[in-house]
Amino acid sequence: EPEVTQTPSHQVTQMGQEVILRCVPISNHLYFYWYRQILGQKVEFLVSFYNNEISEKSEIFDDQFSVERPDGSNFTLKIRSTKLEDSAMYFCASSGFLEKLFFGSGTQLSVL
Amino acid sequence: QQQVKQSPQSLIVQKGGISIINCAYENTAFDYFPWYQQFPGKGPALLIAIRPDVSEKKEGRFTISFNKSAKQFSLHIMDSQPGDSATYFCAASYNQAGTALIFGKGTTLSVSS
Repeated sequence: EPEVTQTPSHQVTQMGQEVILRCVPISNHLYFYWYRQILGQKVEFLVSFYNNEISEKSEIFDDQFSVERPDGSNFTLKIRSTKLEDSAMYFCASSGFLEKLFFGSGTQLSVL
Repeated sequence: QQQVKQSPQSLIVQKGGISIINCAYENTAFDYFPWYQQFPGKGPALLIAIRPDVSEKKEGRFTISFNKSAKQFSLHIMDSQPGDSATYFCAASYNQAGTALIFGKGTTLSVSS
């Protein structure tokens, strides 16, 4: 079964540093998403991306966050200046025209 | 109005028993209600989903019951097995690709053998 691939699986960074989380969505999917899950809490929507632009974003997705599809296969989330509270598991997801989302296994981001 | 409330927070069921997890939503414009299953270290995986034009949907041992007037829906796991031990999230969204899934807080299910 096709799957969403995320790298790295773990990322440790110092507060104030920039991080880029990478994802390879399922190849024929058109919609791409980032969600995050703080330890022990619910999964929260960050942003959705379609046709090379953001289609929806949450209040969490402020100016410190950006997304990009730099080529035909990768989808990235950049956090410009990380804060302690950005520590979370970040999930990439993708979908076709239907609303069924396929999630990757996540990148655990630890900000020290 | 965007919240989805899920209960219980945790659930212990004996093997062969029925697991029931409940969710309630506020936004009547939501029209897609999926349940996701998450194992430790993995991303959520779609288990089963329902739209508000039906009151029940069954797939194998998993059933969603939907009560539109009460704005509630529930997941029933029949003949629960130890392999069902995981965290279950209900969610809600508009019936359109690209829109946000609003998740409940999750229920940790433990099925004892």
